[in-house]
Amino acid sequence: DAGVIQSPRHEVTEMGQEVTLRCKPISGHNSLFWYRQTMMRGLELLIYFNNNVPIDDSGMPEDRFSAKMPNASFSTLKIQPSEPRDSAVYFCASSWGSGRGETQYFGPGTRLLVL
Amino acid sequence: GESVGLHLPTLSVQEGDNSIINCAYSNSASDYFIWYKQESGKGPQFIIDIRSNMDKRQGQRVTVLLNKTVKHLSLQIAATQPGDSAVYFCAENYSGGSNYKLTFGKGTLLTVNP
Repeated sequence: DAGVIQSPRHEVTEMGQEVTLRCKPISGHNSLFWYRQTMMRGLELLIYFNNNVPIDDSGMPEDRFSAKMPNASFSTLKIQPSEPRDSAVYFCASSWGSGRGETQYFGPGTRLLVL
Repeated sequence: GESVGLHLPTLSVQEGDNSIINCAYSNSASDYFIWYKQESGKGPQFIIDIRSNMDKRQGQRVTVLLNKTVKHLSLQIAATQPGDSAVYFCAENYSGGSNYKLTFGKGTLLTVNP
């Protein structure tokens, strides 16, 4: 099993640019989570999908953030326009089931730097 | 052990010693707990989990202890190796109702000295 795959692994962009982060969950998993990790705030859940449907996006910081899951094997997190305070490591995680009481498996993360 | 705040608790041990990492969780209704290991530049990696109907669970070189009375979780690593150096996070979840969120602690940095 390849595990959760994220791309790109590193992204450096300038303020105002659009950033798209990509995630391929573990095959067979039907719950997908996007997290953001910073030293100040730790791991924060941004959005949760179950069976490709967004269930909870209350963690999405602002309207500049959007996420989609067009099929069971692909999800994107988009930031438009990006700002320096968006600099963080963004993780995608997946699990099997409803998302409750299940182990979430994390990808390697995308390290985003917005200048 | 774990603490809320900006400072990352640290634990430094000698290679071969046993390590104990502590975590105080917040929700008395939580019934599922996970320990993750995060090495520098990598994503959190699942180590071991435990459900609230147990108070101890063992894996390979690791043991998780759960004390629901005081809402305390610990991870014991036997014969700690340099490769165990990482940040360790505990996470809690209440699997009832519609709650799917894992609540993560701030993490503990384990440094293993050769």
